Amino acid sequence: KNQVEQSPQSLIILEGKNCTLQCNYTVSPFSNLRWYKQDTGRGPVSLTIMTFSENTKSNGRYTATLDADTKQSSLHITASQLSDSASYICVVLLSGGYNKLIFGAGTRLAVHP
Amino acid sequence: DAGVIQSPRHEVTEMGQEVTLRCKPISGHDYLFWYRQTMMRGLELLIYFNNNVPIDDSGMPEDRFSAKMPNASFSTLKIQPSEPRDSAVYFCASSLGQYNNEQFFGPGTRLTVL
Repeated sequence: KNQVEQSPQSLIILEGKNCTLQCNYTVSPFSNLRWYKQDTGRGPVSLTIMTFSENTKSNGRYTATLDADTKQSSLHITASQLSDSASYICVVLLSGGYNKLIFGAGTRLAVHP
Repeated sequence: DAGVIQSPRHEVTEMGQEVTLRCKPISGHDYLFWYRQTMMRGLELLIYFNNNVPIDDSGMPEDRFSAKMPNASFSTLKIQPSEPRDSAVYFCASSLGQYNNEQFFGPGTRLTVL
């Protein structure tokens, strides 16, 4: 069954600290993996899109890694800011003509001063 | 560009009423997606269009839901009749080019069915 699982469900960190969010998937065939940030009351915003041949991709203080062999991805946030408080959603695109997006449930991050 | 525009932002209706949600994609984008988000089920793709043509509607929960895209700049998602379990946030997103390109989401419509 095609699934995307994220951990932890929620996380609280202090401003300035680093954190890492995890995403494990069983989607096959795999096309690409995306991380989205969703602020409360707003639509998701894309952070990164990675194909199976990419191991790491950065977007400012956000760095995503992908291990296509173990089917794991992580999103690392460096020097967190209060504005990083949001839900982070991992999404995998099923390829092979299906073109379906499989969504994770998200990790809710709260950054406290 | 103003981004993806959705209306209304909030909708409260009574069970059995018809609800119409509207979306204007980013100009020039040829893919349009409708999603539903709930606490229980997270984000779910309902249907997507390419060049105004519905490509995959397998995510539409039942016949009470219908979506149209009469032109490149406008789409509607209709629920008739609405039920309390339809309460959710409905997002519209658009993208340029292939399906696997970045999708830009609208602000969403929060629907409450009493």
